[in-house]
Amino acid sequence: QVQLVESGGGLVKPGGSLRLSCAASGFTFSDFYMGWIRQAPGKGLEYISYISGSGDTRYHAHSLKGRFTISRDNAKNSLYLQMNSLRVDDTAVYYCAREWDYCSGISCSSLDFWGQGALVTVSS
Amino acid sequence: DIQMTQSPSSLSVSVGDRVTITCRASQSISSYVNWYQQRPGKAPKLLIYGASSLQSGVPSRFSGSGSGTDFTLTISSLQPEDCATYYCQQSYSTPPGFGQGTKVEI
Repeated sequence: QVQLVESGGGLVKPGGSLRLSCAASGFTFSDFYMGWIRQAPGKGLEYISYISGSGDTRYHAHSLKGRFTISRDNAKNSLYLQMNSLRVDDTAVYYCAREWDYCSGISCSSLDFWGQGALVTVSS
Repeated sequence: DIQMTQSPSSLSVSVGDRVTITCRASQSISSYVNWYQQRPGKAPKLLIYGASSLQSGVPSRFSGSGSGTDFTLTISSLQPEDCATYYCQQSYSTPPGFGQGTKVEI
């Protein structure tokens, strides 16, 4: 069965760095785009980054202003999010999710499996 | 960027009610809309993909419709476990944004 398990969350001071990991199992990891979605306390979902199966294609939300970097290690079935220059408004639960291409088209994607989330708190 | 606007932002219903949530895109996105359910304290769960296709394992009381700019998620007969926040998401173009959510309460 598909499983996604995030780790690496915690409390960090403003300006600090953190790296989130997402361990995947139960599917051929390299065949799928993967994404990071965050949710600030009491707020909605924000899709912040995705990466192709090979790692060649990446997207980062403009709101991140180049502070976050997504990467993956297909040999380890792992997805990462390096977060630098963290700000108080980066406080959120960060979810990793699998992008499922349901009709073999560039727009035919949905997030069919999600991890349980990792809480990142940025506070002095 | 394509904006997704959901309505209402919240609604109070009774068990057995028919519930309709709408999502409007700021431009035409064909049928590239997904719907998710998020129960309190849990990760979102995919309900509907491609505007109207029911994800495996999701009860048949959930259905989706629409194309172009206007989309609808319908729960035909609300059950207690359906109390949650529902989000639409467009996959037509990057960034693949979400609506702001609709909270369904009993």
